[in-house]
Parts: sequence; structure tokens; C-alpha cells
Amino acid sequence: NAGVTQTPKFQVLKTGQSMTLQCAQDMNHNSMYWYRQDPGMGLRLIYYSASEGTTDKGEVPNGYNVSRLNKREFSLRLESAAPSQTSVYFCASSPIGGGDTDTQYFGPGTRLTVL
Amino acid sequence: RKEVEQDPGPFNVPEGATVAFNCTYSNSASQSFFWYRQDCRKEPKLLMSVYSSGNEDGRFTAQLNRASQYISLLIRDSKLSDSATYLCVVRGNAGKSTFGDGTTLTVKP
Repeated sequence: NAGVTQTPKFQVLKTGQSMTLQCAQDMNHNSMYWYRQDPGMGLRLIYYSASEGTTDKGEVPNGYNVSRLNKREFSLRLESAAPSQTSVYFCASSPIGGGDTDTQYFGPGTRLTVL
Repeated sequence: RKEVEQDPGPFNVPEGATVAFNCTYSNSASQSFFWYRQDCRKEPKLLMSVYSSGNEDGRFTAQLNRASQYISLLIRDSKLSDSATYLCVVRGNAGKSTFGDGTTLTVKP
């Protein structure tokens, strides 16, 4: 049981390049999330998917797109990377997407640098 | 004003000390509350949920005051292994979670 996996672990991009961050969970969770964490700050929600087939914007969606490919996989795409997108990106999943027992499980993160 | 605000810290305490962290939230419609722990350069992990009646898990006690929109975490008998950043998390009814910026705790021998 791997939990939540993310690829790649590290990435360096040049301004204007595109890339897709991959996330997969093997816990049969309904909800999945993408966050970014900048130094000294908490996590900010980029996009989330309450269930397979649905996606919604979070707090900081500009410059990103997502795809909920199936129940297991939720990818994040940067179409034209900018230095302001340098951050650590965490994917998370939770069983039901709400409630005070609904724990979010996080992947190990992708450290992205945009030059 | 941020939706979720935490004590800025850092907190530096000796082993065995009791330390308390505070967190306030601005959205009165918030439904669920959590404390997560994050070690340096690692992913956050759930420490405990926070219930209206307050709850305890070993050396850790969480309290919620809905009227004042305030959450607290108390750590008793601090251990070196408690050194980490503690994140206050507030969730609304749409399932979106808002994280505080975190409070860093260092427990020293």
C-alpha cells in the first residue's frame, strides 16, 4: 500500500516551459487535492476534485490546469511556467471530502524551480 | 486578514515543558478543524482532529471555541521528537481546507 505517490520529486524548468505533475493514490479515496507551499507559509489549495469526474478551483488556480483521469489519478499541469510558480507542490487525497474525521493523506511533494 | 491565523512562533522550549499554540479562523461557517504536523521538508501528517467537546490524545490536547472562532493545541511533557511545524487546518462545508502558516516548535535538551 503506497498511499499517495507523486512524480517527479524534483524539477527545474525554464520560464515558459510546460510540465505535468502526476499524482496517484491507492486508497480508493474519492477526493483529491493539489496544494502549493511557499517557504515559511502554509499550504494553499490550487485545485481539488471532490469525486471522479469533477474538479473545482481552490485559492490559487491561475496558471494551472488539472485532470482527474480516473479515481486514482489527479494531474496538475503548468502550461507556461513562471518564476512565481517556484514552490513545493503537494498532492493529497481523502476518503469522503469532508467531515471532522476526514483525514487528508499527502504525497511526498514535488520541488519545482522555475528559472 | 488571513482566513486562518496562527501564533507566528518560533517556540523554543526545554524538554518536559508544556507549550500551547493558538489559531483563529474568520469563517464562522467552518465545519471541521484539524492540527497537522509537518517535519522539515516533509509532507504534512494529521496530528489530531479537533472536536467541539475538546479531545485528548496522550500528551496532546486540542480545544475548539466556536463562539470565539479559536482553536488551541496543548503539548505536555515536550519531547525532542515533538520538534516540527504545527499547522492549523479549517475546513468548510464544500470540503475545501484552509491551512494556517504554521508554528514552529523546537524542543531542546
